[in-house]
Amino acid sequence: DAKTTQPTSMDCAEGRAANLPCNHSTISGNEYVYWYRQIHSQGPQYIIHGLKNNETNEMASLIITEDRKSSTLILPHATLRDTAVYYCIVRGRRGTGGFKTIFGAGTRLFVKA
Amino acid sequence: DTEVTQTPKHLVMGMTNKKSLKCEQHMGHRAMYWYKQKAKKPPELMFVYSYEKLSINESVPSRFSPECPNSSLLNLHLHALQPEDSALYLCASSQVGQGRRDTGELFFGEGSRLTVL
Repeated sequence: DAKTTQPTSMDCAEGRAANLPCNHSTISGNEYVYWYRQIHSQGPQYIIHGLKNNETNEMASLIITEDRKSSTLILPHATLRDTAVYYCIVRGRRGTGGFKTIFGAGTRLFVKA
Repeated sequence: DTEVTQTPKHLVMGMTNKKSLKCEQHMGHRAMYWYKQKAKKPPELMFVYSYEKLSINESVPSRFSPECPNSSLLNLHLHALQPEDSALYLCASSQVGQGRRDTGELFFGEGSRLTVL
């Protein structure tokens, strides 16, 4: 599975958009980009995933560059409850043996009032 | 029901004790996972079960022994642990990944916090 690189930490003002970048320059054609977050003392929570098209759900938007070597997770109106560690993960989606989901260091997002 | 339930939430054990962590899900998922997380570090994959069979073991020491007695339950048996094994142990489940509708999303429990004295 491809390795990802994320900034260690980021700040965002409450109510503003939080844009979290992720580099995955070694991504292969059948690998997806997944985002999870982990709020303090809780288990990780799935946010969104995509292959090559931009994706949006009720939590966030995922923008993947045309060459697929990087992506950005966008939280459109960050709240204090969005303070968490955000993990960008790249892996294949098909397989009968479960998904080998490997977490990198992630980005610690601080949303400030 | 979209929950993964882990028990106990907290466990303190001595190095000579034998204890078990339990995980349960009722989402019909056929893949289940154990992760270990130390403070301020990302979760580390330990084991993956698919259709009740061990499919991935990330070179975990034998003092950790996983068991999947049925499709809803996953246990982690602990024996002769060391203080450095103190961590948050996370269980997750997912669909296996054969169908186009499978999202590949992992559903995590809240974890069992283990302290080894």
